[in-house]
Amino acid sequence: DAGVTQSPTHLIKTRGQHVTLRCSPISGHKSVSWYQQVLGQGPQFIFQYYEKEERGRGNFPDRFSARQFPNYSSELNVNALLLGDSALYLCASSPTFTGGIADTQYFGPGTRLTVL
Amino acid sequence: SQKIEQNSEALNIQEGKTATLTCNYTNYSPAYLQWYRQDPGRGPVFLLLIRENEKEKRKERLKVTFDTTLKQSLFHITASQPADSATYLCALDIRPYNDMRFGAGTRLTVKP
Repeated sequence: DAGVTQSPTHLIKTRGQHVTLRCSPISGHKSVSWYQQVLGQGPQFIFQYYEKEERGRGNFPDRFSARQFPNYSSELNVNALLLGDSALYLCASSPTFTGGIADTQYFGPGTRLTVL
Repeated sequence: SQKIEQNSEALNIQEGKTATLTCNYTNYSPAYLQWYRQDPGRGPVFLLLIRENEKEKRKERLKVTFDTTLKQSLFHITASQPADSATYLCALDIRPYNDMRFGAGTRLTVKP
């Protein structure tokens, strides 16, 4: 089975632009989470979706939004990009949602976003 | 304030020795704690999950302990190998916010 896939692999944008990142979970996984990882730090939670509904949100501004589609794939959108948004954006899927992130997270390779 | 601290940014050990990594947390009461491995340019890979009512869990050469009184987890790799060189992250679930918080990670280097 294929693991979590993310596209694109790398992306370069300029300040003020908008970006859409995509994630396909492992087949059969219904929960998708998004994380931002700045160099030298651990991943920081942005969103979790389960069955197309938002089930958790981290401490990120409203410029960040996401959605989950009927096939359980997901998009992360970031508007009005800032230099500080430069990071590795990770998507993780898990097979179930038990009311908290207690399930094993299977991470994708990430999208490296650079904002100039 | 809430914090997750991993003992050091980097740990260097000799092949064959036991590596011990520490994860301390304050002002959290996690029901679960997880350990992940991350190689450069890649996403984290799940290693072990330990629940608050479990003191210890093992998987092959890996062992994790969880002391909710000390608010600390220890992660051990026995008979370490150069292939174990990576960054190791601990993560706590944050209820009821459906959130998971990661430490900054410890970069382990195992020298032959």
